[in-house]
Amino acid sequence: RKEVEQDPGPFNVPEGATVAFNCTYSNSASQSFFWYRQDCRKEPKLLMSVYSSGNEDGRFTAQLNRASQYISLLIRDSKLSDSATYLCVVNKADKLIFGTGTRLQVFP
Amino acid sequence: DTGVSQDPRHKITKRGQNVTFRCDPISEHNRLYWYRQTLGQGPEFLTYFQNEAQLEKSRLLSDRFSAERPKGSFSTLEIQRTEQGDSAMYLCASSPRTGVNYGYTFGSGTRLTVV
Repeated sequence: RKEVEQDPGPFNVPEGATVAFNCTYSNSASQSFFWYRQDCRKEPKLLMSVYSSGNEDGRFTAQLNRASQYISLLIRDSKLSDSATYLCVVNKADKLIFGTGTRLQVFP
Repeated sequence: DTGVSQDPRHKITKRGQNVTFRCDPISEHNRLYWYRQTLGQGPEFLTYFQNEAQLEKSRLLSDRFSAERPKGSFSTLEIQRTEQGDSAMYLCASSPRTGVNYGYTFGSGTRLTVV
């Protein structure tokens, strides 16, 4: 079993739609959680950190459920520019472990 | 430019040749990480340094791979006797000492193609 599991997608959604990605992790000792965004053939870039209390950054909302070892990302009012791969990331022993990513394609 | 720099951006090499990649981290970051990413996968951890000390190496890092960070600044990753399976994007990232709580900053990567 992979340490971080994500549905690879692709998720194809129209502009303006709301889309949610989920991720599960296996290491209950993990203490830091993130979502990264990766455009095609580019490096991953930090999108946002994830906390149990939930956090919101504009159209993006991230949530952590420690009991279920589950992380989510909600994107509201999708834009064409949101098309990318979204990587779920957890820390393990002082380094970050990445999921395989979920591909999002927003169409006009 | 105060980001993470990697050189070269692309490298095509023949099987069996040695290659070396360089990474220059953000200057005030004392942690430096190497990852490898293949198509359709997330980045996979290879190794990391705190200053000049190499603190951990992944089992993915065979004895053909070696990484150094001699003065705690830039780092090099060398692959000896390259194989076609080494073809991937090699990503370098840096972070402050407590970076695990803040995420990493990645460089643009070196794309290696072994022919």
